[in-house]
Amino acid sequence: GQQLNQSPQSMFIQEGEDVSMNCTSSSIFNTWLWYKQDPGEGPVLLIALYKAGELTSNGRLTAQFGITRKDSFLNISASIPSDVGIYFCAGQVYGGSQGNLIFGKGTKLSVKP
Amino acid sequence: DTGVSQNPRHKITKRGQNVTFRCDPISEHNRLYWYRQTLGQGPEFLTYFQNEAQLEKSRLLSDRFSAERPKGSFSTLEIQRTEQGDSAMYLCASSLPGQVYEQYFGPGTRLTVT
Repeated sequence: GQQLNQSPQSMFIQEGEDVSMNCTSSSIFNTWLWYKQDPGEGPVLLIALYKAGELTSNGRLTAQFGITRKDSFLNISASIPSDVGIYFCAGQVYGGSQGNLIFGKGTKLSVKP
Repeated sequence: DTGVSQNPRHKITKRGQNVTFRCDPISEHNRLYWYRQTLGQGPEFLTYFQNEAQLEKSRLLSDRFSAERPKGSFSTLEIQRTEQGDSAMYLCASSLPGQVYEQYFGPGTRLTVT
């Protein structure tokens, strides 16, 4: 089946740093979404992208729908401690059924010791 | 709070027992989804409803699993004859008509099968 590869798997942040992560697939996607999940909770929708090349911001978060439609990127500017958590990319594959989102395995953000 | 709610939040059961989880979606959302999430993985799609109609079921949804949404509002997910491999977080999500990809998740039900 379709797979989404998220990179990096984990990263450490220091307050104030900018953070970048990405998601790639061998399949074409119609829609890309980014979610954040805290321990013991459900994922929270951050950003939804619908067109190739689209760049969308939500506060300090900016995400882009790659022009090949096979990737997406998320940037967090000036990170703060509450940014810690697991970030998932998700998408609806071209030709796939409506409503069936495919998720990556997540990028875990932790605070630098 | 008008978000998606799920009950119970945690369930511990012995292998072979049946369990049932409930999901109440956001009130104006007509689509409701069930996902399963295991440790270190992203959510995996199980099934979804549009109003009371179950429109798609994943191959992950074995015949021991059944989901219902009888009145197009809340939904239940039942697992019969639970196995240890069923231990996971079961997540419910809902979406507005016309915005089917913007799915809003509940807090999940953590199932542990001993």
